[in-house]
Amino acid sequence: QKEVEQNSGPLSVPEGAIASLNCTYSDRGSQSFFWYRQYSGKSPELIMFIYSNGDKEDGRFTAQLNKASQYVSLLIRDSQPSDSATYLCALMDSSYKLIFGSGTRLLVRP
Amino acid sequence: EADIYQTPRYLVIGTGKKITLECSQTMGHDKMYWYQQDPGMELHLIHYSYGVNSTEKGDLSSESTVSRIRTEHFPLTLESARPSHTSQYLCASSGGWRRDRNTGELFFGEGSRLTVL
Repeated sequence: QKEVEQNSGPLSVPEGAIASLNCTYSDRGSQSFFWYRQYSGKSPELIMFIYSNGDKEDGRFTAQLNKASQYVSLLIRDSQPSDSATYLCALMDSSYKLIFGSGTRLLVRP
Repeated sequence: EADIYQTPRYLVIGTGKKITLECSQTMGHDKMYWYQQDPGMELHLIHYSYGVNSTEKGDLSSESTVSRIRTEHFPLTLESARPSHTSQYLCASSGGWRRDRNTGELFFGEGSRLTVL
């Protein structure tokens, strides 16, 4: 079992809709979780981090963490075509290494 | 704005050649990492360092080696390149993590795309 699991997609949503991206992880000891966005041919860039159970909002983005269910999600409100990218879920392990999931490709249709 | 630089951005080289991918950061970060990523595939950690003279192998086995003689510099070397080494290599650095304020963000360089013929 991979440490970080994501559906590869593509997830296709119309412009203006809410995009919901999900991630599960296997290590119950993981404390910090990250969402990175990667455009095709570019390097990943951080969107949000979360380490407390519950929701964390930043603009159009909301990260949700449920440690009991080992589940992290990212909601993108009012999706824009410019949000089309691969979204990488990552966790920090006990050695301060960032372990990435394989990513979910999001396609926002105009 | 992240200040982490990788050279070369693109390299096409023949089998058996020795290559070094350079990575430098000006943020004073202790932690540096090398990831390997094939097109459309996931990131795999191949090497990391927690400071000068500290290097560790990552989760994905790699024939490459790294060194960390200076804080700002973390080069990756392949002694004898093979077609199986063709990939994108991403360098990243981090200032660390504290529970009160997450500084575990990884800043990535623009990557070095290696093609071995």
